[in-house]
Amino acid sequence: AQRVTQPEKLLSVFKGAPVELKCNYSYSGSPELFWYVQYSRQRLQLLLRHISRESIKGFTADLNKGETSFHLKKPFAQEEDSAMYYCALSGNTGFQKLVFGTGTRLLVSP
Amino acid sequence: DAGVIQSPRHEVTEMGQEVTLRCKPISGHDYLFWYRQTMMRGLELLIYFNNNVPIDDSGMPEDRFSAKMPNASFSTLKIQPSEPRDSAVYFCATLRAGHFNYGYTFGSGTRLTVV
Repeated sequence: AQRVTQPEKLLSVFKGAPVELKCNYSYSGSPELFWYVQYSRQRLQLLLRHISRESIKGFTADLNKGETSFHLKKPFAQEEDSAMYYCALSGNTGFQKLVFGTGTRLLVSP
Repeated sequence: DAGVIQSPRHEVTEMGQEVTLRCKPISGHDYLFWYRQTMMRGLELLIYFNNNVPIDDSGMPEDRFSAKMPNASFSTLKIQPSEPRDSAVYFCATLRAGHFNYGYTFGSGTRLTVV
């Protein structure tokens, strides 16, 4: 069964501090992993896909198959990064539904 | 493209009343999903459609919930009768077949409050 675990409900940091939002997954096959972001009372937006290996808004995430993790990182947090972050997983063969973690709220204080 | 359009944005209703949430997908997107978001449980997939056909409704909480997609341009999620524990934000999301690696496109959601 697919499962995504985000152990932290809330992560509070000061502006300029490094950020790491944790995501662990359970999946028997080869996964596709995503990070979605939801700013206050807005729609969910795709932030990162592991397959693209990109950096968006200074955020990066590396898939670690040995540790079954896909942690989201940013070296220097900004106040505008405050939002809800969801890690999500699907399989990589054809269509498979997306399973979300419970989310982590990031609060960046000045 | 206007994206995924949901209506209404906010709905306040009394317990026992029928509630209908609406979603207009992006043209050409073959998959449509209904999610429920709560503080306690995060995002839960309720049901999804492919080419207007319901594929998996295992996430629908109970018989009070029903969803339809009469055509490629419109879907509804109905709750009858509504209960206070149904209060949540309901999101619709869509996906184009073959673009599975690009992630879903979400609507702005409907914030439902049942009093």
